[in-house]
Amino acid sequence: DGGITQSPKYLFRKEGQNVTLSCEQNLNHDAMYWYRQDPGQGLRLIYYSQIVNDFQKGDIAEGYSVSREKKESFPLTVTSAQKNPTAFYLCASNEGVLGNQPQHFGDGTRLSIL
Amino acid sequence: LAKTTQPISMDSYEGQEVNITCSHNNIATNDYITWYQQFPSQGPRFIIQGYKTKVTNEVASLFIPADRKSSTLSLPRVSLSDTAVYYCLGEDSNYQLIWGAGTKLIIKP
Repeated sequence: DGGITQSPKYLFRKEGQNVTLSCEQNLNHDAMYWYRQDPGQGLRLIYYSQIVNDFQKGDIAEGYSVSREKKESFPLTVTSAQKNPTAFYLCASNEGVLGNQPQHFGDGTRLSIL
Repeated sequence: LAKTTQPISMDSYEGQEVNITCSHNNIATNDYITWYQQFPSQGPRFIIQGYKTKVTNEVASLFIPADRKSSTLSLPRVSLSDTAVYYCLGEDSNYQLIWGAGTKLIIKP
């Protein structure tokens, strides 16, 4: 089955620590996205990538970093500079051109502070 | 500044038709409006997408007036399993994604 896999499902971070969230897709999609979702709120775009080795900041990129070395992988690092990292993180992909193609989502990683 | 606005929550009963409207000013004139459904602790799932007038698929209909300043998601004969959060998504003229804050739909028996 084609889809998006996010891991781990739950993640805990200590103060001052960087953590990396994994996102892998086997849909052969060009574009990938990272969103943050806080309780009872909508999705906010952190970073997106439309092609390998290229990515763009979204609305709330501060304190986060990404890489896109392979088409199928788009890991997100939550750095120690992100002072309020507790949230539900969602990865998505689509065939490209932002909103025109439906996005396929993973089932998220819930990050908490220890 | 482009923005999408949805009701925070709605209630309905099994078997009823539910309409959720999203207002979106300043979205791009040549891009789709898309709706997603999200269950707790899961990623959103695509429901339907349209550009103008009416689109229907096996689960929903989408109505978009000619001015494209709003869109209405219509769910026919809802069941308890339709209890979820529904999001509308548009794009502004700078190709920035504009997500609504979501409508929490609760279906009662």
